[in-house]
Amino acid sequence: EVVLTQSPGTLSLSPGERATLSCRASQTVQTENFAWYQQKFGRAPRLLIFGASNRATGIPDRFSGSGSGTDFTLTISRLEPEDFAVYYCQQSVLAPHTFGQGTKLEIK
Amino acid sequence: EVQLVESGGGLVQPGRSLRLSCTTSGFIFGDYAVSWVRQAPGKGLEWVGFMRGKAHGGAIEYAPSVNGRFSISRDDSKSIAYLQMDSLKTEDTAVYFCTRGNYDRAFYYTDYWGPGTLVTVST
Repeated sequence: EVVLTQSPGTLSLSPGERATLSCRASQTVQTENFAWYQQKFGRAPRLLIFGASNRATGIPDRFSGSGSGTDFTLTISRLEPEDFAVYYCQQSVLAPHTFGQGTKLEIK
Repeated sequence: EVQLVESGGGLVQPGRSLRLSCTTSGFIFGDYAVSWVRQAPGKGLEWVGFMRGKAHGGAIEYAPSVNGRFSISRDDSKSIAYLQMDSLKTEDTAVYFCTRGNYDRAFYYTDYWGPGTLVTVST
């Protein structure tokens, strides 16, 4: 099983600041099978990034993904109030298609 | 518009069974994989299992925590997927999401999610 470890667990920032979220895999993950999701309280997750660096339809360009191998990063260039949520990474190379434990992005 | 809607959740006693349905619309169901993901109260996302579309072999995979107790099936003629859950345990209590798996060129990813249905396993 591929274990995904996200850091930090909680990130406290202010609107307008830059957010950098990390996801580390226990073994190499193909970029084609790596994604990031955003979840707001009480709602279903929403796809942000697929293929490690491709924005999903309708996702603002302040969201960007990068990385390869075992280290992946989600960057939000300038935080908007609606960006404060929980973010998850996921790999779908090997079953089970594991998720990271999540990073909570909260308003400072 | 792509839509997925889960149904069939509710309160069930430990050891009993429950079947969830995922009714879809707005896309050619048979061309896509379907996955089930759950989220226990206050916890993170846990992948439960998935079933590929027929064009991609129709293989099914399960998380170790549910393997042998849960089974996924689909009816492409009705655009519906199912999650049969047997021998339920209290730790299966969660919101269950149905999701669409997309084969997009060289990529595979989950792109659409249903709103989820709550399953509570308790006496």
